[in-house]
Amino acid sequence: SQQGEEDPQALSIQEGENATMNCSYKTSINNLQWYRQNSGRGLVHLILIRSNEREKHSGRLRVTLDTSKKSSSLLITASRAADTASYFCATDAGGNKLVFGAGTILRVKS
Amino acid sequence: DAGVTQSPTHLIKTRGQQVTLRCSPKSGHDTVSWYQQALGQGPQFIFQYYEEEERQRGNFPDRFSGHQFPNYSSELNVNALLLGDSALYLCASSRLALNEQFFGPGTRLTVL
Repeated sequence: SQQGEEDPQALSIQEGENATMNCSYKTSINNLQWYRQNSGRGLVHLILIRSNEREKHSGRLRVTLDTSKKSSSLLITASRAADTASYFCATDAGGNKLVFGAGTILRVKS
Repeated sequence: DAGVTQSPTHLIKTRGQQVTLRCSPKSGHDTVSWYQQALGQGPQFIFQYYEEEERQRGNFPDRFSGHQFPNYSSELNVNALLLGDSALYLCASSRLALNEQFFGPGTRLTVL
């Protein structure tokens, strides 16, 4: 079974706009990670945020974590057509065992 | 530095057959985890190997088994294949002490 849920399931935006994806989870975690997947291929690691962190940045990516609400968000600023992909959050409660959500499909139109 | 590699890329089997998938971890990594991703869903954890032992296991039947070799590479074996085993199988490697996992491109298994 999946740990949590991503919201929305699908998102379509214009190039240059910002994209925000949300993730909720159910149990206590050590860290939460975001991954990107293009066309059903391998996952690319985007960013990891630890349970004692509230916000993290990497290039055009901004991730927030609210452990009291068991939720996280991924913001992609100034989106590009190349950002079109599926995005997954994954929680790690310990031991590097990742539990994934069902993902958000992002389409960036040029 | 080669990343995580998996073979084969695609595989077609029939019900009841057995399959072996292979994974070579990223250089310097000692832990290999396997995930199953059905179409339209997120990956689900199958099991994890460290020091040639199964360290953690997800909710998968005993038909799914694995092995890790002294060079840290790993195999996933599935016996008595079912139609529902059709999926993308992903291998991820990491260093046990570190959390970030690197995924391979996956093996797409189709069971007819």
